[in-house]
Amino acid sequence: QSVLTQPPSVSGAPGQRVTISCTGLSSNTESIYDVHWYLQLEGTAPKLLIYGNTNRPSGVPNRFSGSRSGTSASLAITGLQAEDEADYYCQSYDSSLSGVVFGGGTKLTVL
Amino acid sequence: EVQLLDSGGGLVQPGGSLRLSCAASGFTFDTYVMSWVRQAPGKGLEWVSAISGSGVKTYYAESVKGRFTISRDNSKNMVYLQMHSLRGDDTAVYYCADGFRAGFDNWGQGTLVTVSS
Repeated sequence: QSVLTQPPSVSGAPGQRVTISCTGLSSNTESIYDVHWYLQLEGTAPKLLIYGNTNRPSGVPNRFSGSRSGTSASLAITGLQAEDEADYYCQSYDSSLSGVVFGGGTKLTVL
Repeated sequence: EVQLLDSGGGLVQPGGSLRLSCAASGFTFDTYVMSWVRQAPGKGLEWVSAISGSGVKTYYAESVKGRFTISRDNSKNMVYLQMHSLRGDDTAVYYCADGFRAGFDNWGQGTLVTVSS
């Protein structure tokens, strides 16, 4: 069972907007760590999509955006495209566990 | 261009050992924390271990502590994961990645470890 909680699946039609939530982030105000998001296409390695809660690496379209509020974070994808169909994971660090934690992953289906 | 090339996976019997390797290029290797992340078949991602740029500090998930050892050779731009006392639930694709607490910028292609008799 993952420390961070994500919905197992989300779906949307091409052109629509979808959001993926990530809850269970550390509430320790003395050691708040950023959230990062990854995209994983079938049979391939994960790819960094959002880092530091809201930042996009070079080459990631601005259709992807991240946000964070307290112990929750969200990934939003606008203008949904067929190529966005993949698994998405959130990730942070939990000082109480002294380790990196991932969400269980969310499968995005483009209808 | 950053490249991480994982190798060393294979079929091993329960209780056996295996050493994974990751060859890095395209960045100043000894300034980066390196990690291993695994993914069991059909499951999500699980962080396994990390090692500081100098190799002095190491970190492990509870599930592998005492059985796995991470190391690096900065003269060869290599990071390793020595795995002992392997169990069925260690079966996974193992990815080398650069980073740790601040996220993982780049990932290797992964190497499959299968623990089975």
